[in-house]
Amino acid sequence: DAGVTQSPTHLIKTRGQQVTLRCSPKSGHDTVSWYQQALGQGPQFIFQYYEEEERQRGNFPDRFSGHQFPNYSSELNVNALLLGDSALYLCASSLVSSRETQYFGPGTRLLVL
Amino acid sequence: GQQLNQSPQSMFIQEGEDVSMNCTSSSIFNTWLWYKQDPGEGPVLLIALYKAGELTSNGRLTAQFGITRKDSFLNISASIPSDVGIYFCAGSASGGYQKVTFGTGTKLQVIP
Repeated sequence: DAGVTQSPTHLIKTRGQQVTLRCSPKSGHDTVSWYQQALGQGPQFIFQYYEEEERQRGNFPDRFSGHQFPNYSSELNVNALLLGDSALYLCASSLVSSRETQYFGPGTRLLVL
Repeated sequence: GQQLNQSPQSMFIQEGEDVSMNCTSSSIFNTWLWYKQDPGEGPVLLIALYKAGELTSNGRLTAQFGITRKDSFLNISASIPSDVGIYFCAGSASGGYQKVTFGTGTKLQVIP
C-alpha cells in the first residue's frame, strides 16, 4: 500500500519565478491538504482539496493556488516567488470521513534565491 | 499563522527515562493529533484523539485529550534512542472542512 508521494524532492528557483509541486495521496484517500513548514517551525496549513475543489484555506496569499485531479492527486502552484517562500512543502492525504487524521508525504524542499 | 503552544521546547533525557510533553490552545478542539518528524521527512501520525478525556496508547506512547478540550498530553515510557525527533501536536476545531493547526514542536534528544 503506497503512502503519500511528492515530487520533486528538492527544487531551487529564483525570485519572481513560478513553481509547481505534485502530490499523490495514499491509496483510497480522497482529500489532500498542503502545508508550508519553515525551518524550525510547525507546518502551516495552506489549503485543502476535496472533489477537485478548494474547501478550506489558510492565511496564504493568492499567489498560492492548487488543483486536484479526478484521480485525487494534487498540485500546488506558487507564483511570483519570494525569498520567504523557501520552506518544506508538505502534502497530506485523508479520508472524507476523517479529514483531520492526515498522513503526510516526505515533502518538497524549495529554496528561492 | 496560528500555532498551538507546546512545552517543553526541547528536552534531553537519559535512555530508559519517561517523557512528558503537553500542548495548549486558546480555542476548543474536537480532534487532537500527535505527530513525530525526523529530519528531512514528513510528520508521521502517532496517535489520534477524538473525545474529551480520551486516553489512547500506541506501544510505549500514551496521549490524552484534555477535558477542557483546550489541551493534550503525550507520554513516552522507557525512551530509546530512536525516539529522537521533533514531536508536534495538532488540533482541529470540528468536522467538515476544518483546517488542522500544528503546535510549535518539542525536540527530544535521548542520551544513550
